[in-house]
Amino acid sequence: DTGVSQNPRHKITKRGQNVTFRCDPISEHNRLYWYRQTLGQGPEFLTYFQNEAQLEKSRLLSDRFSAERPKGSFSTLEIQRTEQGDSAMYLCASSNLSGGVGAFFGQGTRLTVV
Amino acid sequence: KNEVEQSPQNLTAQEGEFITINCSYSVGISALHWLQQHPGGGIVSLFMLSSGKKKHGRLIATINIQEKHSSLHITASHPRDSAVYICAVNSGTYKYIFGTGTRLKVLA
Repeated sequence: DTGVSQNPRHKITKRGQNVTFRCDPISEHNRLYWYRQTLGQGPEFLTYFQNEAQLEKSRLLSDRFSAERPKGSFSTLEIQRTEQGDSAMYLCASSNLSGGVGAFFGQGTRLTVV
Repeated sequence: KNEVEQSPQNLTAQEGEFITINCSYSVGISALHWLQQHPGGGIVSLFMLSSGKKKHGRLIATINIQEKHSSLHITASHPRDSAVYICAVNSGTYKYIFGTGTRLKVLA
């Protein structure tokens, strides 16, 4: 386990379809974050888990978005009824609660909604 | 005004040039990251700083906590350094605040 792993790396989907992304954090990390990055912008916070508890959701997340971290390990981010505006890079990061605030970032999943 | 500002937004350099990218922030922080994002989109964390200076190969990162400012330097730049460089800060909460990035292009 050498880092944060995200799958898939790329996803092209038709508008209206559902998509699910997976993030596998560094195994001993308690904290897991999802960010979204649109073209030309820095990443923006979406949601945060401490172990299996989802402690905050950004207003950027509409009702079509849901994230889970059922066993406090990997996390999934699902987007239902995708829209073209959902096209973005979805980034996952993890950190160790006791180790300070340093986060490790995944490579991201690039979603294109056509 | 963004809480994390980077300059310049775009930078073109000739191979071999010394490059500096700046990051200023307006919040109290516990840590600052410099990230590299290549055209494919994947992000690599280059440095995490809470004070002082770090060096890795041709890359040097410095931070001045009192002035709320950090710099990323690239010595002897190379075309493979072409990427977007992003500054991200953590203010002691669980959220990171990201700058909009500096797009670097190094010409051969």
